[in-house]
Amino acid sequence: GESVGLHLPTLSVQEGDNSIINCAYSNSASDYFIWYKQESGKGPQFIIDIRSNMDKRQGQRVTVLLNKTVKHLSLQIAATQPGDSAVYFCAENAPRIDSSYKLIFGSGTRLLVRP
Amino acid sequence: EAGVAQSPRYKIIEKRQSVAFWCNPISGHATLYWYQQILGQGPKLLIQFQNNGVVDDSQLPKDRFSAERLKGVDSTLKIQPAKLEDSAVYLCASSFGRMDYEQYFGPGTRLTVT
Repeated sequence: GESVGLHLPTLSVQEGDNSIINCAYSNSASDYFIWYKQESGKGPQFIIDIRSNMDKRQGQRVTVLLNKTVKHLSLQIAATQPGDSAVYFCAENAPRIDSSYKLIFGSGTRLLVRP
Repeated sequence: EAGVAQSPRYKIIEKRQSVAFWCNPISGHATLYWYQQILGQGPKLLIQFQNNGVVDDSQLPKDRFSAERLKGVDSTLKIQPAKLEDSAVYLCASSFGRMDYEQYFGPGTRLTVT
């Protein structure tokens, strides 16, 4: 299939190891953050989210950590599997002037899982 | 539940030609988004509709791009005339409400302008 991104930062991990993907966001007023997974030839798929009043949230094999002091997000994937190979994007829900919000995506990280 | 549908999946055109993309959101979703994803980058919002009204088109290059959602369901995005830098994947997404954070994405249309 087609490639989502040829020049993305790449994280290569051994199957079964834990993966940590990092992201810096830009707007200190953003109130909500989402991690998306994008496989080749597909649209982004929601993985996990976190509100700005939290610093950690756990899902099934995934954990998101939020550090508002340094505007940093991380996605931890436990026991990484071949099916986790994809490009991962963080997105921040940033306020507009009219008080509505819009999602702003980061540049993405490619995760490669070695068998 | 059917997901967001987009067509075509791939399109190759020459510069200065025109092209149109179609999106059918998830049934019942009032908000529809068009994103442009250039290779190696995250999606960038082009336009957001709430039913058939435009919420945000601040990033849409209006001299060449247009979009409509006449009946508040399907939407089309058009580029006329296309430029080389328009080569990208065009993603459509939908959400239940305007303040609904969870957006569901379609598979995208990959446009190549030669």
